[in-house]
Amino acid sequence: DGGITQSPKYLFRKEGQNVTLSCEQNLNHDAMYWYRQDPGQGLRLIYYSQIVNDFQKGDIAEGYSVSREKKESFPLTVTSAQKNPTAFYLCASSLRRDRVYGYTFGSGTRLTVV
Amino acid sequence: EDQVTQSPEALRLQEGESSSLNCSYTVSGLRGLFWYRQDPGKGPEFLFTLYSAGEEKEKERLKATLTKKESFLHITAPKPEDSATYLCAVQAGSGGSNYKLTFGKGTLLTVNP
Repeated sequence: DGGITQSPKYLFRKEGQNVTLSCEQNLNHDAMYWYRQDPGQGLRLIYYSQIVNDFQKGDIAEGYSVSREKKESFPLTVTSAQKNPTAFYLCASSLRRDRVYGYTFGSGTRLTVV
Repeated sequence: EDQVTQSPEALRLQEGESSSLNCSYTVSGLRGLFWYRQDPGKGPEFLFTLYSAGEEKEKERLKATLTKKESFLHITAPKPEDSATYLCAVQAGSGGSNYKLTFGKGTLLTVNP
């Protein structure tokens, strides 16, 4: 079955440590996105990518980095520069950026700073 | 800046008690409005896309409607399994920035048996 796989489901980060969240899709979607979800807040866009080897900052990109070396993969690195990384991270993909397609979401990664 | 406001923040219903969730939006050139359902600890699940005022879509006990300023998600005779957070999102704009979905904060629906 086609879908988006995020791993790990739970992740713990120590102070000053970089961690990478994995996102893989087999839907042949062109665009991929990373959102952050905090209690009582809407989803906020971190980074997005419309094609391979290209990505753009979203609304809250500081302290995060991404790569898009393959169409299927869009990993997110949470760096030590991100001062409040504890949150639920959601990866999504869509078929075409220039048409009105909704997103397909992964099941999320919950990151906790210990 | 695109804005999406959902109300109420939380809604508690008895099984069988119909109600509506509201999503009001302020955007420059609406291309689509989306409704998602999210269960605790999981990613949002797509429900509906609405494209223009007057459009309606139904799925089981859910019906979504759209006007020029807001959308409603009507829930008819809800069951406990309908309990979830319902998210509204809009896609707006043109040119290179028409990729983005702007989300509301969601409505937490609880249906008691």
